[in-house]
Formats: sequence, C-alpha cells, structure tokens
Amino acid sequence: DQQVKQNSPSLSVQEGRISILNCDYTNSMFDYFLWYKKYPAEGPTFLISISSIKDKNEDGRFTVFLNKSAKHLSLHIVPSQPGDSAVYFCAASAVNSGYSTLTFGKGTMLLVSP
Amino acid sequence: EAGVAQSPRYKIIEKRQSVAFWCNPISGHATLYWYQQILGQGPKLLIQFQNNGVVDDSQLPKDRFSAERLKGVDSTLKIQPAKLEDSAVYLCASSHGQSSYEQYFGPGTRLTVT
Repeated sequence: DQQVKQNSPSLSVQEGRISILNCDYTNSMFDYFLWYKKYPAEGPTFLISISSIKDKNEDGRFTVFLNKSAKHLSLHIVPSQPGDSAVYFCAASAVNSGYSTLTFGKGTMLLVSP
Repeated sequence: EAGVAQSPRYKIIEKRQSVAFWCNPISGHATLYWYQQILGQGPKLLIQFQNNGVVDDSQLPKDRFSAERLKGVDSTLKIQPAKLEDSAVYLCASSHGQSSYEQYFGPGTRLTVT
C-alpha cells in the first residue's frame, strides 16, 4: 500500500519555463512533507519542506504548496534550469512514539532542456 | 562539515554469499537510518537507530539482514545469505535528533547480486 504517490515517472520542461511536480498522500497522520533531489550515483539531498500547518513555503526558485483537504502537494520550480535535471522524491513524515520516520514516493525524473 | 560516508560504493556478489556495508554519519547526529532503494522505487526504511539502540526495524528482513551501531557512531548493515532480489542501492542517512525531519543521505552502496 503506497502511502506517498508520485504518479508522473518523468517530466520534460524547457529552460526558463515552470516545472510542476506533484505528490499525493493517503495517511492523515503525516505532519511534515519534504522534497529531495537526487543526481545519478549520489544520495538524495534535501531541497525544501513544509509543515502541515502551512499551505505554502518558498525558497528562491522553489515553492512547495500543500492542500491538506486534497492530500496533495506540489513543487514548483521557476524558472527551470538545466542543472535542475534530476530525480525528485516527495517524502512525508509521521512521528510515532517520539520518532520521526519518512515515507518516500517513487520519484519523478525531471529533464530540463536548453 | 563532512557528510555521511559510506563504503564500499559498489559491490558485486553471487547469490548465497554475504556482504557488509559501512556507514559513518555526520558528527553529532544521534539518529541513523538504513534504506533500501530498488531501481525505479523510492528509498524504503530498513532500520532506524537512536544512538546505539534500535527504534524501528519493522521492515528489516531479519532472517538475512542484520545491522548494528556500536558506540552510537558508525554502523554496519549485513546481508547473509544474499538473494537476487537484494540487488539495490543501500543508503545510509543521519539526522540530528529523533524527531528531526530532515535527513542527510550518504552516496549509497550499489549492490548487484548475480
């Protein structure tokens, strides 16, 4: 049972345009959401996060939106750059017995072409 | 600040052989995680340590996988005997505290079982 779903395996965007990556979740106990970026042969690196009490968080070119009622979040990258080409993982956190654990989606491969 | 270190980076073994992976977390990080990432999937948590104690190993196949974190610093993950389906990237991550949301990942060990 997949609790975090990224239904688009890949996305292609032209340089300078907006990239929108989507993520859906099913577990109402998730209280924090994160996006990780992964280049080939490297581990995932933290990109941006949002608490469940907020609906938007912005960091430079990256903005994450959270719609709790729809159990949906999205990552917007504006403007997209070729260096943004990577796999993006959505992750959701739940605290259980005082310990935080992350559940990851399958990832979306973003390709930004010049 | 040095990141999470893992070795080896690549390993090829035959089925039924044993293998061990090593991880050294970021200095001062009390929580350490081992994940398995199968091709095309997101990272899946295998085991979580708080200092040198296990707080979650519910998804660790305990008949063949074992992990330890002696002295609450570095950690080893062992597979014995390996199966073909164990082919994956094994990622180690660490975080500052047990309720920290952000996890910092190492580069991973790519295991191929033939």
